[in-house]
Amino acid sequence: SQQGEEDPQALSIQEGENATMNCSYKTSINNLQWYRQNSGRGLVHLILIRSNEREKHSGRLRVTLDTSKKSSSLLITASRAADTASYFCATPYSGSARQLTFGSGTQLTVLP
Amino acid sequence: KAGVTQTPRYLIKTRGQQVTLSCSPISGHRSVSWYQQTPGQGLQFLFEYFSETQRNKGNFPGRFSGRQFSNSRSEMNVSTLELGDSALYLCASSPEGRSSTDTQYFGPGTRLTVL
Repeated sequence: SQQGEEDPQALSIQEGENATMNCSYKTSINNLQWYRQNSGRGLVHLILIRSNEREKHSGRLRVTLDTSKKSSSLLITASRAADTASYFCATPYSGSARQLTFGSGTQLTVLP
Repeated sequence: KAGVTQTPRYLIKTRGQQVTLSCSPISGHRSVSWYQQTPGQGLQFLFEYFSETQRNKGNFPGRFSGRQFSNSRSEMNVSTLELGDSALYLCASSPEGRSSTDTQYFGPGTRLTVL
């Protein structure tokens, strides 16, 4: 079963704009990860944030985590057409890094 | 290092048949996990193998099985295929450590269509 929901389900923006995606989860976690998937292909790991962190940056990505609200957000700044993909949040099930529970995903389309 | 490879990339079967999918992890990785992705259920964990032993199992019927070989390559098998088994099957490998922050590296997936 899925850990939680992501919203929006779909997001369409122009190149250069920022894109924000939100993820909610249900159980206590020790970390939360974000993955990208291009058109039905494999998943690419983007960033991991630990439960004791509130914010983390990686290049044009900024992730926040609010454990009191059981939610996370992914911000992509200065979006490019190549950022068009589905984005998923994932949490380890019972602390096992190798058993991830994924959100429902946000389909991001960046228009040139 | 070469990434995770999965074969075949595409597969078409009919109901009642069985299928075997293969996954070769990144060199040095000993853990292999399998996931099923469908439009309706999203990404769901199937099972994880480590050192030839199944370590975790998701909520799937016994028709879904897997194994891991001594070289860490893994196969998953689905018997008595049903239409609902049509999905993208993803394999992921990760390092040996038990840290909950280990990154999983995913293969390109096998697209299974059941007719």
